[in-house]
Amino acid sequence: GQQVMQIPQYQHVQEGEDFTTYCNSSTTLSNIQWYKQRPGGHPVFLIQLVKSGEVKKQKRLTFQFGEAKKNSSLHITATQTTDVGTYFCAGWGNQFYFGTGTSLTVIP
Amino acid sequence: EAQVTQNPRYLITVTGKKLTVTCSQNMNHEYMSWYRQDPGLGLRQIYYSMNVEVTDKGDVPEGYKVSRKEKRNFPLILESPSPNQTSLYFCASSFRVTTEAFFGQGTRLTVV
Repeated sequence: GQQVMQIPQYQHVQEGEDFTTYCNSSTTLSNIQWYKQRPGGHPVFLIQLVKSGEVKKQKRLTFQFGEAKKNSSLHITATQTTDVGTYFCAGWGNQFYFGTGTSLTVIP
Repeated sequence: EAQVTQNPRYLITVTGKKLTVTCSQNMNHEYMSWYRQDPGLGLRQIYYSMNVEVTDKGDVPEGYKVSRKEKRNFPLILESPSPNQTSLYFCASSFRVTTEAFFGQGTRLTVV
């Protein structure tokens, strides 16, 4: 079946360092969404990308959707302690799938 | 306030005792779904519903049932819970399947 994998599974960074998580699907996705889940919380929608090669920015966060619409990335510039949490990608292929998530720890 | 409400937040039960986790949304969303979250596995979809009286299996439907008799409610039913269903469960809703999903607060279920 379709799979959406994310790497890395865990990432520890020093505050101020950059962070990137990668999302890879086994099949083409019609869209890609990104969610953030704070520790003990529920996933919260961040953004959606639809077009091949699309890049969107939200302050220090940059989201990219691959040309083949099978992969995506989220890059955070100069991490802050408020960035702590697990980041999930999600997308619609033949069904709606969430990625396995990347847990980000920011060390002050 | 637009929200998805799940109940209960925490539940400890015994193997075989039927239980229902309720989910309600007040945003008139068509699409609703249930997920379970387990360490290292991310969010896996259990069941989803495109609209009233329309439900379909997700990735891990075994051992679960759902119903969608009204647009706002989408309960998750475990007819005979087993310990491998111990997990964190989330209900979510969205206007369409491809639009932003809103999640409930989660239900932490332990089956002993």
